[in-house]
Amino acid sequence: SAVISQKPSRDICQRGTSLTIQCQVDSQVTMMFWYRQQPGQSLTLIATANQGSEATYESGFVIDKFPISRPNLTFSTLTVSNMSPEDSSIYLCSGGQGLDEKLFFGSGTQLSVL
Amino acid sequence: KQEVTQIPAALSVPEGENLVLNCSFTDSAIYNLQWFRQDPGKGLTSLLLIQSSQREQTSGRLNASLDKSSGRSTLYIAASQPGDSATYLCAVALPYRDDKIIFGKGTRLHILP
Repeated sequence: SAVISQKPSRDICQRGTSLTIQCQVDSQVTMMFWYRQQPGQSLTLIATANQGSEATYESGFVIDKFPISRPNLTFSTLTVSNMSPEDSSIYLCSGGQGLDEKLFFGSGTQLSVL
Repeated sequence: KQEVTQIPAALSVPEGENLVLNCSFTDSAIYNLQWFRQDPGKGLTSLLLIQSSQREQTSGRLNASLDKSSGRSTLYIAASQPGDSATYLCAVALPYRDDKIIFGKGTRLHILP
């Protein structure tokens, strides 16, 4: 199993600013992902964080808005840039050794944009 | 396009009852299916993972079944307890995109003491 520490747990931000969310895993994981969960909705995959290379983004998400870093197999960051109220959501990171094994999640970041 | 549906969206049952949560998916070509639990303000905890070649998995009072051909999975919770109150999500992994998992919207379960 893996334990993922995610921070901050919540933040309130002003429109136009940026917030960086960090996830630290207690062991090396092959795969790391970033999700968004809007109120009453399911999880939507933002991107796959690739170690040492650019992240793979899903349709509707772009690098300029959600830059992602993954410098090694235990750490990743997601930045929400130039925020607007529509970005208010829960952001979750996850990681695992492969899709044939369980996926582990951080505790989430509750973001509110005023 | 794979879609995952969970019914009901919310469920309240008295403590001690056995209950079943349902999950359906539109494309039977899945790699595996996972059931997760999410507590308010928290991340997700993986409960059970069923590979596409398996029919069921059990962990304690939880039993998950998978019928790929009909696109269905159920999560059975025996002898429910107030601590089981949470949102339960199912998710399927896609074999042709080995980095993608599709989630349902979840079932909010409330166990009445």
